[in-house]
Amino acid sequence: TQLLEQSPQFLSIQEGENLTVYCNSSSVFSSLQWYRQEPGEGPVLLVTVVTGGEVKKLKRLTFQFGDARKDSSLHITAAQPGDTGLYLCAGPVRGGSYIPTFGRGTSLIVHP
Amino acid sequence: KAGVTQTPRYLIKTRGQQVTLSCSPISGHRSVSWYQQTPGQGLQFLFEYFSETQRNKGNFPGRFSGRQFSNSRSEMNVSTLELGDSALYLCASSLEGSSNQPQHFGDGTRLSIL
Repeated sequence: TQLLEQSPQFLSIQEGENLTVYCNSSSVFSSLQWYRQEPGEGPVLLVTVVTGGEVKKLKRLTFQFGDARKDSSLHITAAQPGDTGLYLCAGPVRGGSYIPTFGRGTSLIVHP
Repeated sequence: KAGVTQTPRYLIKTRGQQVTLSCSPISGHRSVSWYQQTPGQGLQFLFEYFSETQRNKGNFPGRFSGRQFSNSRSEMNVSTLELGDSALYLCASSLEGSSNQPQHFGDGTRLSIL
């Protein structure tokens, strides 16, 4: 059983479309992080959300942390081929050192 | 500033062999974590080293081990390789491994077991 469930698992869209991917858990997280991983590379941190209800924007990407800190979403406006990649959410499982648990990711393909 | 460097990038081994993977963290980073990534299980935490000591460990068998040197470079060893060990092994470093510090990942070592 995954502590963090991500949906959808796969997403294939055309350039210019909007999309939202989700990261859900039955557990409360002190923070959640979103990463993007491109083929042949390691994940790159996009954002960390720490406060329930928090919204952060990174250009065309909007991240939201649920009020109860059990879920998060990533919305991409006017997707571009450069957005193609695996989007991973992660959260710490222990209160001390940061040892994240990862969702299995949403694989996004944006066609030109 | 150089990123996290993992060597080798690709490795092919046969069942029963052992393998050692290397990770050089970003300069000044003292925490190094190792992960296994497979299509079926996703990214799973192996262990974390801080100041040459294993601080946290994931749920992997004892065949998976690691160490960290005084310069924070880390190695991971897998003994008695099994087919299921085929995966991308990722290393990540951060300043001290606390939750408010971003982890920086290397590009991984792709290990294939024949």
